[in-house]
Amino acid sequence: EAQVTQNPRYLITVTGKKLTVTCSQNMNHEYMSWYRQDPGLGLRQIYYSMNVEVTDKGDVPEGYKVSRKEKRNFPLILESPSPNQTSLYFCASSTGTGGGQPQHFGDGTRLSIL
Amino acid sequence: AQSVTQLDSQVPVFEEAPVELRCNYSSSVSVYLFWYVQYPNQGLQLLLKYLSGSTLVKGINGFEAEFNKSQTSFHLRKPSVHISDTAEYFCAVSGAGGTSYGKLTFGQGTILTVHP
Repeated sequence: EAQVTQNPRYLITVTGKKLTVTCSQNMNHEYMSWYRQDPGLGLRQIYYSMNVEVTDKGDVPEGYKVSRKEKRNFPLILESPSPNQTSLYFCASSTGTGGGQPQHFGDGTRLSIL
Repeated sequence: AQSVTQLDSQVPVFEEAPVELRCNYSSSVSVYLFWYVQYPNQGLQLLLKYLSGSTLVKGINGFEAEFNKSQTSFHLRKPSVHISDTAEYFCAVSGAGGTSYGKLTFGQGTILTVHP
């Protein structure tokens, strides 16, 4: 089954404790992206990747890091999480470079930073 | 730069009534347009997309949208809604070139609630 898998689905942690949210897709997609969803703000893009070793900032990259060492994986790293990063996070992927191709979304990761 | 504005944060409607969810966008380049739906506790699913050609686009579950370039709008419509259409709907734009290529910008979302 074609899917985007995120882990963990839920995480409660404390300020400053480094965490990684993993994202993996099994569709051989070139394009992958991370979003955060906050009430009243919709989804905002954090980082995206056009292909392996090619990443770029989205609209809200501050406080986040990403890497794309393999085509299927695109982890999101919070080096020193803060309460304002409490949010619902989605990973997505698409064929090509994400222009006209629709994105396939994971089920989301709900992070709470205390 | 590109942006999307969904004009209604919440839309209540009775079952079997028609509905329109409004979306306006701005961009300095040509765009691709999308509508996604998010059911409770789930990720986003594609409803429909406009890439080029006919301005009236049909999607899944009986939804359709019309691209209006002069008004920079992409409103979503359904002639008769069901209880199961209750969800949050997101309009999104992706640049077809320039510095916006590859970036997907979402609107704030519209919560559609269908009442029996």
